[in-house]
Amino acid sequence: NAGVTQTPKFRVLKTGQSMTLLCAQDMNHEYMYWYRQDPGMGLRLIHYSVGEGTTAKGEVPDGYNVSRLKKQNFLLGLESAAPSQTSVYFCASSPTGLAGRVGTQYFGPGTRLTVL
Amino acid sequence: TQLLEQSPQFLSIQEGENLTVYCNSSSVFSSLQWYRQEPGEGPVLLVTVVTGGEVKKLKRLTFQFGDARKDSSLHITAAQPGDTGLYLCAGEARNTPLVFGKGTRLSVIA
Repeated sequence: NAGVTQTPKFRVLKTGQSMTLLCAQDMNHEYMYWYRQDPGMGLRLIHYSVGEGTTAKGEVPDGYNVSRLKKQNFLLGLESAAPSQTSVYFCASSPTGLAGRVGTQYFGPGTRLTVL
Repeated sequence: TQLLEQSPQFLSIQEGENLTVYCNSSSVFSSLQWYRQEPGEGPVLLVTVVTGGEVKKLKRLTFQFGDARKDSSLHITAAQPGDTGLYLCAGEARNTPLVFGKGTRLSVIA
């Protein structure tokens, strides 16, 4: 059981380049999330998904797109990277909780992205 | 917008000391989760508190959920260097994503 894995672990981009971050989970969780973590800002939700084929915006969605074509994968895309997107990106998944509750979130190890 | 304020932001203590970290909001949450994050890793869940006034213990860590379910605290007894890390609280409201606080960075010096 690998849990939540993220690819790549590190990446350096030039301004304007595009890239896709891949998140995979093997726990059959319904919910998946993408966060960014910046010093002093905590975890901020970018986009999330409550099931295969669904996506929704979080707190800071601008400049990012996501897709959930398969239940186990959640992709985060940057179409035209900007220095403000330099951050550590975390993917998480969670099972469907009781009575609409979310339940425990399981996080991946993170991707450290630098945009020059 | 639901906000969770954590205090203090930073805490540096000697091994063996006790400490308390606070997580406060003006909003009511159906549950409060506490996570610990170590450098270079993702957060890992420590505990979930659900009922107002609930107290949960995890070895030397004691978690409490406020009676009104708007606040929570984490108390560590006899801190050890292994307790070093970023402690995050996260509030859950029905049918909405978790809201995370900005965290308390704890450093325990041997």
